[in-house]
Amino acid sequence: EVQLVESGGGLVQPGGSLRLSCAASGFTFSSYAMYWVRQAPGKGLEYVSAISSNGGSTYYANSVKGRFTISRDNSKNTLYLQMGSLRAEDMAVYYCARVHATADAFDIWGQGTMVTVSS
Amino acid sequence: QSALTQPASVSGSPGQSITISCTGTSSDVGSYNLVSWYQQHPGKAPKLMIYEVSKRPSGVSNRFSGSKSGNTASLTISGLQAEDEADYYCCSYAGSSTPYVFGTGTKVTVL
Repeated sequence: EVQLVESGGGLVQPGGSLRLSCAASGFTFSSYAMYWVRQAPGKGLEYVSAISSNGGSTYYANSVKGRFTISRDNSKNTLYLQMGSLRAEDMAVYYCARVHATADAFDIWGQGTMVTVSS
Repeated sequence: QSALTQPASVSGSPGQSITISCTGTSSDVGSYNLVSWYQQHPGKAPKLMIYEVSKRPSGVSNRFSGSKSGNTASLTISGLQAEDEADYYCCSYAGSSTPYVFGTGTKVTVL
């Protein structure tokens, strides 16, 4: 079964750091670009960051640039998001998502992991 | 990059058809035939319903269809069913610097 499972969410104080992980299974992880998308409570979806299949190219939304770092370990079939200088507005469910091999669309999503930023 | 504009809510009775609009700009929706639509039930992850404006992934009902004209894309749900009640988001490719932009989301209510 093709699957993405996020972990690492939790409660963190403003200014703190957190690392999210996304474990992939059921497909050749190293062949796909991967994304992080977040959803604040009661709000819509927001693109956060992207990484190419080999990790050589990374992209960030302006709202997280300089504070978040996306990476991947293709030997472990795992995607990461290192989040720093966290703010209240970063509080959200964070989803990892796979981009379809031949179409620019997110065809597989994880179940999400909640990040709460509060003192 | 600003979010694509969707109506906050759309409703219809069972069996009816509804259409959700998604308005962007010439930098995103208008430039690329790379609009996708996602269905999200409460507490669940989004599910891909339409990609490349009008293509349906395997397993998605043919009651769902997509189209685009200029800077506006649309999702039509025909033969509305109770299980279609959910939030729907459009998404467009927007270039290499900010690859994707999502819509504001539309809550579909089945009366």
